[in-house]
Amino acid sequence: KAGVTQTPRYLIKTRGQQVTLSCSPISGHRSVSWYQQTPGQGLQFLFEYFSETQRNKGNFPGRFSGRQFSNSRSEMNVSTLELGDSALYLCASSRLAGGPGTDTQYFGPGTRLTVL
Amino acid sequence: GESVGLHLPTLSVQEGDNSIINCAYSNSASDYFIWYKQESGKGPQFIIDIRSNMDKRQGQRVTVLLNKTVKHLSLQIAATQPGDSAVYFCAENRNNATGNMLTFGGGTRLMVKP
Repeated sequence: KAGVTQTPRYLIKTRGQQVTLSCSPISGHRSVSWYQQTPGQGLQFLFEYFSETQRNKGNFPGRFSGRQFSNSRSEMNVSTLELGDSALYLCASSRLAGGPGTDTQYFGPGTRLTVL
Repeated sequence: GESVGLHLPTLSVQEGDNSIINCAYSNSASDYFIWYKQESGKGPQFIIDIRSNMDKRQGQRVTVLLNKTVKHLSLQIAATQPGDSAVYFCAENRNNATGNMLTFGGGTRLMVKP
């Protein structure tokens, strides 16, 4: 069974640009969560999608958005990039909704975003 | 604010010894805790979890202990191997207004000396 895949693996953008990252969950998984990982702030929850609906959202500005498609694939978008958005963006999938207390989350390898 | 944190940023152990990684949490309402292992270039990998109605749970070579009185969580790895070298994160599940979400600690790097 293939794991969670994320594309692209590496990305370089400049300030002010926007970026779209993609996540394909494990087959049969309908929940996708996104996290940002930085050396200073660690791993922080961005949002969770289930059945094309955002179920939960962390404490990030509106520049961070996401969506989920009918095949459970998810994208996240960051507009008007800032230097501080440089991070590893991870997505995790699980079969059920409701977050990690409900079902085990499996993480992808992440997308390394560098903002210059 | 409330947070999940780790006491030791780096832990160095000899191959074959037991490792103990500690974590403190501050939200007494957290009901579920997870340990993840993250190797270089990879995403976090689930190791073991424990619910707040338990104080101990064992897996293969790993044991998680939960002390709710002092809000402390630990991960014990028996007979540590070079392949165990990684960064280990504890995470607590918090229930906010819209659902559950994981809050991670800062991570501890485990280095295994051959």
